[in-house]
Amino acid sequence: EAQVTQNPRYLITVTGKKLTVTCSQNMNHEYMSWYRQDPGLGLRQIYYSMNVEVTDKGDVPEGYKVSRKEKRNFPLILESPSPNQTSLYFCASSLYGTEVGYEQYFGPGTRLTVT
Amino acid sequence: AQSVTQPDIHITVSEGASLELRCNYSYGATPYLFWYVQSPGQGLQLLLKYFSGDTLVQGIKGFEAEFKRSQSSFNLRKPSVHWSDAAEYFCAAYNAGNNRKLIWGLGTSLAVNP
Repeated sequence: EAQVTQNPRYLITVTGKKLTVTCSQNMNHEYMSWYRQDPGLGLRQIYYSMNVEVTDKGDVPEGYKVSRKEKRNFPLILESPSPNQTSLYFCASSLYGTEVGYEQYFGPGTRLTVT
Repeated sequence: AQSVTQPDIHITVSEGASLELRCNYSYGATPYLFWYVQSPGQGLQLLLKYFSGDTLVQGIKGFEAEFKRSQSSFNLRKPSVHWSDAAEYFCAAYNAGNNRKLIWGLGTSLAVNP
């Protein structure tokens, strides 16, 4: 089944404790992206990757890191989480990226709480 | 700046009633347009998309949307709503001149009364 998976689905952590949210897709997509979703703010892009070893900042990259060492994986790293990073996070992928308007496939989301 | 506006934050309809969710975009040229749905506890799923051609687009789950260039709109419609349609709906637009990014509306939350 074609899908985007994220782990963990739920995470409660404390300020400053490094964490990684994994994202994996099995569709051989080139483009992958991370979003955060907050009430009243909609979806905001954190980072995206056009292909292996090619990443770029989205609209709200501060406090996050990403890497794209393999085509299928695009982990989101919070080196020192803070309470303002409490949010619902989505990973998404698409075949060639949004420049040709390809559909994005979304993971189920990761609910992160930082206390 | 380019933007996508969903004027209705929350809509409540009765089951079986018709539905129209509004979406307006501000771009110089016609963008690619999308509607996504987010069911409770789920990720987003594409309902339909418009690139060019026929301005009335059919999607999954019985939804359709109409692109109206004169009104810069891409409203989502469904003739008869089912309780399972209760969800958050997002409109998004992509324009090649906008750093190749999707611009998202803030979403419309749909509640369905039995």
